[in-house]
Amino acid sequence: NAGVTQTPKFQVLKTGQSMTLQCAQDMNHNSMYWYRQDPGMGLRLIYYSASEGTTDKGEVPNGYNVSRLNKREFSLRLESAAPSQTSVYFCASSEVHQPQHFGDGTRLSIL
Amino acid sequence: SQELEQSPQSLIVQEGKNLTINCTSSKTLYGLYWYKQKYGEGLIFLMMLQKGGEEKSHEKITAKLDEKKQQSSLHITASQPSHAGIYLCGADNPGTYKYIFGTGTRLKVLA
Repeated sequence: NAGVTQTPKFQVLKTGQSMTLQCAQDMNHNSMYWYRQDPGMGLRLIYYSASEGTTDKGEVPNGYNVSRLNKREFSLRLESAAPSQTSVYFCASSEVHQPQHFGDGTRLSIL
Repeated sequence: SQELEQSPQSLIVQEGKNLTINCTSSKTLYGLYWYKQKYGEGLIFLMMLQKGGEEKSHEKITAKLDEKKQQSSLHITASQPSHAGIYLCGADNPGTYKYIFGTGTRLKVLA
């Protein structure tokens, strides 16, 4: 019953450092998503992968890259972290036009 | 582009009171989802509505989609402290694999 698993849960970075957020789902979903959640702004889509082998930009892709490693795993990379990327990051998976299942989030602070 | 507006933005009620949260779309809704987010945690799927006039209930929570499929409401009967959290509505973005979300309603229930 794991669902969507995100690691790490918390991370503090210095400006300019890089890191990769990991996400894995065990529901055999085709589509996976990365969102960021900021106060007063709701969920904003960073990148998504409609199916294994494809990735597309969402509404706030700048400063991020993604990799759909296989059907289960979808990672988000910050190449050179900036304070504006301080946020809570959520990974989600679903089938098309079906409810999304979310991970517990990664709380990222960039100093 | 389609937008979802939620009201109210925040709500404080006494335990035992009923309450309603609204989600209004700028365009026709083809799949409407309600999620609950406990503070500091991920989003939990509550209910999905697809047909005009559809109504679903789970325990003390009832969600409805109006006949025109542009507005949904979430009604909680006899609220309890366990109902506290952030409620978000989400919807299919037609013709895409993406979803759109409202900015959320923050609910506090006073014991």
